[in-house]
Amino acid sequence: NAGVTQTPKFRILKIGQSMTLQCTQDMNHNYMYWYRQDPGMGLKLIYYSVGAGITDKGEVPNGYNVSRSTTEDFPLRLELAAPSQTSVYFCAGGTSGGPGADTQYFGPGTRLTVL
Amino acid sequence: LAKTTQPISMDSYEGQEVNITCSHNNIATNDYITWYQQFPSQGPRFIIQGYKTKVTNEVASLFIPADRKSSTLSLPRVSLSDTAVYYCLVGRSGGYNKLIFGAGTRLAVHP
Repeated sequence: NAGVTQTPKFRILKIGQSMTLQCTQDMNHNYMYWYRQDPGMGLKLIYYSVGAGITDKGEVPNGYNVSRSTTEDFPLRLELAAPSQTSVYFCAGGTSGGPGADTQYFGPGTRLTVL
Repeated sequence: LAKTTQPISMDSYEGQEVNITCSHNNIATNDYITWYQQFPSQGPRFIIQGYKTKVTNEVASLFIPADRKSSTLSLPRVSLSDTAVYYCLVGRSGGYNKLIFGAGTRLAVHP
């Protein structure tokens, strides 16, 4: 049981390039999330999904896209990389114990630098 | 989503008990209170969750007063390995897109 796995661990992109950050979970969680964390700051929600085929925007969705074709996978797509997207990206899977009682399990993160 | 306020940083020494308080004055009736721990270069890790009174697990205790406008995470006898950032989250009232991690409390444990 690996939990939440993310690939790659590190990546350097040039401005305007595109890439996909991979996220896979083996905990059968319906809920999945993508966050970004800038140095010294808290996490900001980019996109989330409540199940296969269902996604929605979070706090900072501009410049990103997601898809959720299976319960296990939740890739994050950057189409035109910009320096402002330099950050550490965390994927999480989650459970719900009822309204307001969510628990999230995070992956190890992807450190992205855009030059 | 209920806004939370935590101290920016705290210092402690090995073997001491550490209490981190989070204020959430506009907590909603259905909101739970959840604490996460984050080590450098790692994703946050769930520590504890509660609704009212006291919750205890093998890692920490969570104290919630009757009015639920604040909560206190208690770490017994901290060690150097407890040096981390601790985040307080309150509920998800209104939907998932309102899950927000603040800056957290940076705890430094000294020898």
